[in-house]
Amino acid sequence: DTGVSQDPRHKITKRGQNVTFRCDPISEHNRLYWYRQTLGQGPEFLTYFQNEAQLEKSRLLSDRFSAERPKGSFSTLEIQRTEQGDSAMYLCASSSGTGQETQYFGPGTRLLVL
Amino acid sequence: AQTVTQSQPEMSVQEAETVTLSCTYDTSENNYYLFWYKQPPSRQMILVIRQEAYKQQNATENRFSVNFQKAAKSFSLKISDSQLGDTAMYFCAFIPMDSNYQLIWGAGTKLIIKP
Repeated sequence: DTGVSQDPRHKITKRGQNVTFRCDPISEHNRLYWYRQTLGQGPEFLTYFQNEAQLEKSRLLSDRFSAERPKGSFSTLEIQRTEQGDSAMYLCASSSGTGQETQYFGPGTRLLVL
Repeated sequence: AQTVTQSQPEMSVQEAETVTLSCTYDTSENNYYLFWYKQPPSRQMILVIRQEAYKQQNATENRFSVNFQKAAKSFSLKISDSQLGDTAMYFCAFIPMDSNYQLIWGAGTKLIIKP
């Protein structure tokens, strides 16, 4: 069990550019979550996958945000036309879906939009 | 609305002391899970302890224990024999069973352990 991994760990981009983040969950975890966390705050839910199906999206997830989980393995989160307000830590978590429901988190991708 | 309240934005104690972090939550659900997560400075979110709402016995993990009062919707975390490595943000969170399993988070308590 290697844990949840995220790539990149840090991303600096200019306003208007597109960025894509990747998350690799714990193997055989069928649930995958994306959260956004700003400094000094708790995480905010963005979206949730069960296997390859995206089952829920937060109202926080504007049309500029899209997430995929092809084949129910890794997931990508893309932000198009980034804005300075998108600067945050993007956290990925996974859970086994066997009833225990503990979510295990990756190290996060810190995004800075200039 | 389902919410989590952590009323202590920041706490500091001396190393080896015991500290209790408070958490209250609001839900109309009867079945849910409760969690305490720890997030050290610039490091990832780590599970500290979890509690199933249907269990009356309070969860314990080494130096960490909870006081779960279901009727009062209270879920406090006690850290015994605190260590410098316990310095972190501590988040209380819960998952109502009908929520598509999204965690509902408190705002966090910054805990500083002083040498």
